[in-house]
Amino acid sequence: QKEVEQNSGPLSVPEGAIASLNCTYSDRGSQSFFWYRQYSGKSPELIMSIYSNGDKEDGRFTAQLNKASQYVSLLIRDSQPSDSATYLCAVNRYNTDKLIFGTGTRLQVFP
Amino acid sequence: EAGVTQFPSHSVIEKGQTVTLRCDPISGHDNLYWYRRVMGKEIKFLLHFVKESKQDESGMPNNRFLAERTGGTYSTLKVQPAELEDSGVYFCASSQDRVDYGYTFGSGTRLTVV
Repeated sequence: QKEVEQNSGPLSVPEGAIASLNCTYSDRGSQSFFWYRQYSGKSPELIMSIYSNGDKEDGRFTAQLNKASQYVSLLIRDSQPSDSATYLCAVNRYNTDKLIFGTGTRLQVFP
Repeated sequence: EAGVTQFPSHSVIEKGQTVTLRCDPISGHDNLYWYRRVMGKEIKFLLHFVKESKQDESGMPNNRFLAERTGGTYSTLKVQPAELEDSGVYFCASSQDRVDYGYTFGSGTRLTVV
C-alpha cells in the first residue's frame, strides 16, 4: 500500500463546474497536508496547505481534512481551462521535514 | 525575489558517465531539499540540508549519489556512475522555515541515461 494514494485520473469537468480531488494517506502520524499543482514540464506549485480537521478556503480552492478517516480533498469551484494540470497531494510526517507525495491526479477542464 | 534555480534543465548521458546537477535556492533559505520523480512514479524525497549540514539523507538510493552544499548556499547532486534507472526529473526545493509552510520547488533537471 502506498503511503499517499490518489486516483490518477484524468478527471474531466466542464468549465464552471466544481472539481473534487481526493487523497488518502496511511500514516496516522502525519501532521501537515499540502496540495501542489503541476503543469506539464513545470515545477510543482504550492496552492493549499491544511493542518487541522475541517475546511480551509482560499479563493476558488477549498481544502478539506479528516484525520479520523485519513482523507484530504481539494475542491476547485468555477473550474477554468487554466486549472487543467496534475494535482499532487503531499503529506508531512510528524517530526520530519520531508514530504510524501501521491502520484497525482490529472484534471482536465473543458470549455 | 528569484526562485529556486536548477541547471542544467536537461541532461542526456551514457550509462557509466558522471553527471552533476546544481541547485541555487532562494536567497536566505537555510533548508534545501532534493527530490526525484522517476517516470510513472510519485515524487520521492532524496535528502534535506540545513545550511551546509545533511539533516536527512534517508532517501538517497545508493552510494552512487553524492550531494553537497558547501557554504550553505548552492547544492550539487552528483551521480557517478550513472545507471539507466537513474533517469527521471530531479527537483530541488528550498524553504526558510520548517516544511509546515510548504516548499518552493525549482523547475527540475530532466536526466536521461542511455
